[in-house]
Amino acid sequence: EIVMTQSPATLSVSPGERATLSCRASQSISSNLAWYQQKPGQAPRLLIYDASTRATGIPARFSGSESGTEFTLTISSLQSEDFAVYYCQHYNSWPLECTFGQGTKLEIK
Amino acid sequence: QVQLVQSGAEVKKPGASVKVSCKASKYTLTDYAIHWVRQAPGQRLEWMGRFNADNGDTDYSQKFQGRVTFTRDASARTAYMELSRLRSEDTAVYYCARGGRVVGQQIFPTQGFDPWGQGTLVTVSS
Repeated sequence: EIVMTQSPATLSVSPGERATLSCRASQSISSNLAWYQQKPGQAPRLLIYDASTRATGIPARFSGSESGTEFTLTISSLQSEDFAVYYCQHYNSWPLECTFGQGTKLEIK
Repeated sequence: QVQLVQSGAEVKKPGASVKVSCKASKYTLTDYAIHWVRQAPGQRLEWMGRFNADNGDTDYSQKFQGRVTFTRDASARTAYMELSRLRSEDTAVYYCARGGRVVGQQIFPTQGFDPWGQGTLVTVSS
């Protein structure tokens, strides 16, 4: 089973600054990676799929990148509404598999 | 906008079953796969399986095989997840989410799970 490991567990950043969140896969997963944002009491919201493609309606300050088995979500200039928990997800149709990272909590510094 | 609307919170005793519904709005249920994901308190998201809402094919996570059943009522635009033999560790928020397009047996690659239902809290307690 592929294991997704996110770091750091908690990230403290000031509004207006850049935030960089990491996700590492235990083995090669091609670009089959998505990022989600989850606020307290809400369902996850898709931000990025295929490692670097923004979902519909997602602001340009959110971007995704990859380097081998390392994936990065960057938020270029943090807004107040961006403070939340972020999850990475590996998904593959064949063989069918789906695993999530443990999440990174992005908090206001 | 496209959305999934789930049924309300449930409280069940150990050993019982629970059935959660997920109604599609502003799109045709049978045009896409539905995934079920749960989140126990303070835990990461956990994928339970995938449902082909067109032909009814199911792919369950090995962890839930034998205890979970996915079904749908196409005329009601609603998908269902039933989990049996409940135990305290099943206490969680259960989500449905839309996956890739489906045509018969073929499920096209997903481009992330989007949208998600609002979640259904299932509490298992004696």
